[in-house]
Amino acid sequence: ELKVEQNPLFLSMQEGKNYTIYCNYSTTSDRLYWYRQDPGKSLESLFVLLSNGAVKQEGRLMASLDTKARLSTLHITAAVHDLSATYFCAVDFGNEKLTFGTGTRLTIIP
Amino acid sequence: GAVVSQHPSWVICKSGTSVKIECRSLDFQATTMFWYRQFPKQSLMLMATSNEGSKATYEQGVEKDKFLINHASLTLSTLTVTSAHPEDSSFYICSARDGSSGEKLFFGSGTQLSVL
Repeated sequence: ELKVEQNPLFLSMQEGKNYTIYCNYSTTSDRLYWYRQDPGKSLESLFVLLSNGAVKQEGRLMASLDTKARLSTLHITAAVHDLSATYFCAVDFGNEKLTFGTGTRLTIIP
Repeated sequence: GAVVSQHPSWVICKSGTSVKIECRSLDFQATTMFWYRQFPKQSLMLMATSNEGSKATYEQGVEKDKFLINHASLTLSTLTVTSAHPEDSSFYICSARDGSSGEKLFFGSGTQLSVL
């Protein structure tokens, strides 16, 4: 079964702190995506990770991919309120269809 | 960059009526588009893959007679929810891949459907 799991499901953190969201998937893939979703809105593409060891950074967010461990991380550095949103990882298991993770609802507290 | 336009943004309809949602790729051609459904505070679930010029491929458990998909051109796919019922109320999102933009998948703005 193709499964994608995220941890944690909910995360409340103070501004200025660092934290990591984890995305585990069930079988081989080397295509993983991270998206952000604000309430009532569609998805905003954050990162596309296409190979083992891939690391990408944009502002306070950094994503990495370990295909051997079937694990991707989204690291938040010195969080600010604007980062409050729900974050999804999604995996392409080779059929061009994305299987989405459960989502992580992030709330940044001033 | 590539843009996927989805209309309407929200729709409220009576039970038993049909609702059509449009998804357009504005500056690229998309031979394949995807339709997702998202219930409140849940993840996105793939409903079907829309293929230009051929029948859509539906995921297990999705009723093809209820969710009609038409992909008549390289820039337009439509999802029609037929005889809608309150349990069909959900957020529907389409997506398409622009081959010239690498591996990114672009998403429409979504349609919030409420069936009374």
